[in-house]
Amino acid sequence: GAGVSQSPSNKVTEKGKDVELRCDPISGHTALYWYRQRLGQGLEFLIYFQGNSAPDKSGLPSDRFSAERTGGSVSTLTIQRTQQEDSAVYLCASSRSWSYTFGSGTRLTVV
Amino acid sequence: GQQLNQSPQSMFIQEGEDVSMNCTSSSIFNTWLWYKQEPGEGPVLLIALYKAGELTSNGRLTAQFGITRKDSFLNISASIPSDVGIYFCAGMDNAGNNRKLIWGLGTSLAVNP
Repeated sequence: GAGVSQSPSNKVTEKGKDVELRCDPISGHTALYWYRQRLGQGLEFLIYFQGNSAPDKSGLPSDRFSAERTGGSVSTLTIQRTQQEDSAVYLCASSRSWSYTFGSGTRLTVV
Repeated sequence: GQQLNQSPQSMFIQEGEDVSMNCTSSSIFNTWLWYKQEPGEGPVLLIALYKAGELTSNGRLTAQFGITRKDSFLNISASIPSDVGIYFCAGMDNAGNNRKLIWGLGTSLAVNP
């Protein structure tokens, strides 16, 4: 597509439930990134996929967080047993060179 | 993780004023990028800098890649209300295929019309 598409745009979930967030990157972009942004804060790196290489998972905050990228395109970020501190906007970006193109994010609220 | 020092943290200015913000790093970067984030949206690239000393303009925006490769600034001239948002600097310090950016914490800009 023309841009990076994320779904859902908003998600409210109960504490302890699992959630899946989806990212459709720009076609042809080999790199895909997930970031977390808490209210009024900067961007917190979570995970990075580059082509067929093993993903860089160094930013995942706990083993409740995982992500996969199927066929080098769509990516899913999964948060298991959600906690209230997981409430944030989750941003996905893709790139082919040095600059990233971001999606509009998924706003996750854990109640 | 590693972060850039971005300042000021926030600014509240009158329409028509010029704005300046900067980022510094303890390590050398090969690329500096400036992004703007508006409410409810992801950050959007404003300016990219690839060479030490480079000065690049995009309309009323001007950014420079510091000679030491450890800093960059962004200037906005004659601010208007739609300049409101959070401005992030980002740097890339790698060679090879790792394209992971290091981010500043953002400068929040408010413009009083």
